[in-house]
Amino acid sequence: EADIYQTPRYLVIGTGKKITLECSQTMGHDKMYWYQQDPGMELHLIHYSYGVNSTEKGDLSSESTVSRIRTEHFPLTLESARPSHTSQYLCASSNSYEQYFGPGTRLTVT
Amino acid sequence: KNEVEQSPQNLTAQEGEFITINCSYSVGISALHWLQQHPGGGIVSLFMLSSGKKKHGRLIATINIQEKHSSLHITASHPRDSAVYICAVRRLSGGGADGLTFGKGTHLIIQP
Repeated sequence: EADIYQTPRYLVIGTGKKITLECSQTMGHDKMYWYQQDPGMELHLIHYSYGVNSTEKGDLSSESTVSRIRTEHFPLTLESARPSHTSQYLCASSNSYEQYFGPGTRLTVT
Repeated sequence: KNEVEQSPQNLTAQEGEFITINCSYSVGISALHWLQQHPGGGIVSLFMLSSGKKKHGRLIATINIQEKHSSLHITASHPRDSAVYICAVRRLSGGGADGLTFGKGTHLIIQP
């Protein structure tokens, strides 16, 4: 059973608001990821981290930012939400063998 | 063209049928993952393959590195197998901290 958590699970928010999506894992994994999945589409890597104080952008350009101050915590922030940010955001962590996924946050920006 | 292609996109079958989902990829990889996504979005890792074949219960996954092709089989399918099955690869080119590149998924419905 994977111990990776995301909050909130669902979020409906107005345009222009700042939001932070939380992701935490208790497995001590150094590698963590954020993926974005639009409805009916494939997942795309938007951010990743090799460890504390390491963050990089992924394959898909995103206006979001991430931070990694603690091993177990990898939050994603949108400074000013827009309707184009409506999507599902999935966090994952890896022991370099398996990837473990969180339950996802379904974000709707109105 | 996507680097990871799955077929079929949609599959409806009767309970008990043998199911095959195919995945082809066009890049060098170090590993291939089969994932299961249920309504509501949660993703579970089913298999990670770098060669050969793996079996877990009624699920079997195979990979042919030379042909850049993998298959996921479900024997004695059951309605609880209904989900989206996703093929994902870890590219050899590195970077992305081993982040995955995904296919679009196969929507499987097993009718009782």
